[in-house]
Amino acid sequence: EAGVVQSPRYKIIEKKQPVAFWCNPISGHNTLYWYRQNLGQGPELLIRYENEEAVDDSQLPKDRFSAERLKGVDSTLKIQPAELGDSAVYLCASSVSGTLETQYFGPGTRLLVL
Amino acid sequence: AQRVTQPEKLLSVFKGAPVELKCNYSYSGSPELFWYVQYSRQRLQLLLRHISRESIKGFTADLNKGEPSFHLKKPFAQEEDSAMYYCALAGTYKYIFGTGTRLKVLA
Repeated sequence: EAGVVQSPRYKIIEKKQPVAFWCNPISGHNTLYWYRQNLGQGPELLIRYENEEAVDDSQLPKDRFSAERLKGVDSTLKIQPAELGDSAVYLCASSVSGTLETQYFGPGTRLLVL
Repeated sequence: AQRVTQPEKLLSVFKGAPVELKCNYSYSGSPELFWYVQYSRQRLQLLLRHISRESIKGFTADLNKGEPSFHLKKPFAQEEDSAMYYCALAGTYKYIFGTGTRLKVLA
């Protein structure tokens, strides 16, 4: 099994440009998470989905970040416009159901905003 | 405030020495505690979780509700244990990671 798949693995953009990240969770996993990890820090939750419903997006900067999980499977995280401070690793994870289950992480997308 | 604190950014020990990675937390309620590990060039993965009470790769962690803490221990460190370790807390609606501790096991 491939596990959680993310693309692209690396992305370099200029500030004010848009960028999008894609995540395919493990088959059968209802819960999907997007995290941002800054250098030297732990993962910080941006948004959590239960199936297609965003149940926790309190840490998502809604002025420039958006996410969707159509049909409760794949998910896309978008930043528009990107700022220098958005440079980080964006991680996607999935679990069977709910926050008390083990999370399985993707390899992450490393974003550099110039 | 709900948080997870890992006070050590870097911990260096010699091979065969005991290891203890500290994790303190603050949470109102009864959270589930986890340790995740990230080896070089690999993705973040679960090492162990409190509820399963397993010993994985010789590591154990005891939940101390009095402190409160969930320190990770191993009696004899191996070179392959060198990695980044994250303590995490899961509540009904929250999932919080600590800032991580890099463990270096020296030959």
